[in-house]
Amino acid sequence: DIQLTQSPSFLSASVGDRVTITCRASQGVSSYLAWYQQKPGKAPELLIFPASTLRSGVPSRFSGSGSGTDFTLTISSLQPEDFATYYCLQFNSPVTFGQGTKLEIK
Amino acid sequence: EVQLVESGGGLVQPGRSLRLSCTTSGFNFGDHGMTWVRQAPGKGLELVGFIRTTHYGGAAEYAASVKDRFTISREDSKSIAYLQMNSLKTEDSAVYYCTRDRGSGWPHPQVLDYWGQGTLVTVSS
Repeated sequence: DIQLTQSPSFLSASVGDRVTITCRASQGVSSYLAWYQQKPGKAPELLIFPASTLRSGVPSRFSGSGSGTDFTLTISSLQPEDFATYYCLQFNSPVTFGQGTKLEIK
Repeated sequence: EVQLVESGGGLVQPGRSLRLSCTTSGFNFGDHGMTWVRQAPGKGLELVGFIRTTHYGGAAEYAASVKDRFTISREDSKSIAYLQMNSLKTEDSAVYYCTRDRGSGWPHPQVLDYWGQGTLVTVSS
């Protein structure tokens, strides 16, 4: 199975900051990568797929980039509602998830 | 509006069985593969298994950790997916999410675009 490694695992930031989360695949997955946001006690919500296409309704401060093995999720100006855990998922082969990045308020 | 609602979770003793249901609405259920994902308390997301559309034989595949114990099925006439869990272990304790595959599940799930709210399964004596 393809392994996904997210970095960092924990990120502390302030409202208004620009943050970037990285997802690295153990093998190339082309652009078959998605990003999810999960808030405590809630189900994950799809933000971006494939790789760089924002899902309808997702704020434009979110963006994704990358292909092959290296991907990034960027939030251009953090809002209070963005503090959550973020997961990448690859669907080039049987689905696997990254281990998650918890974004906390500094 | 697409909706997925899981039910059937609860407290169960090790070695016993439990069946989860995922009742859906707002889309053509028969056109989509369905995937179950679980999340142990404080942990990340883990694929449990998925089922393809009836067009692709309704075949299911499973994670190694649950293979031969769990069975996924679907009832297209009712727009419901099921997860039958047998020989439960304490390490199966988790919130179980039903998710919709954007595609048919062939050859494997595409992006999981809608999720249910999850149902908690606790395996404990």
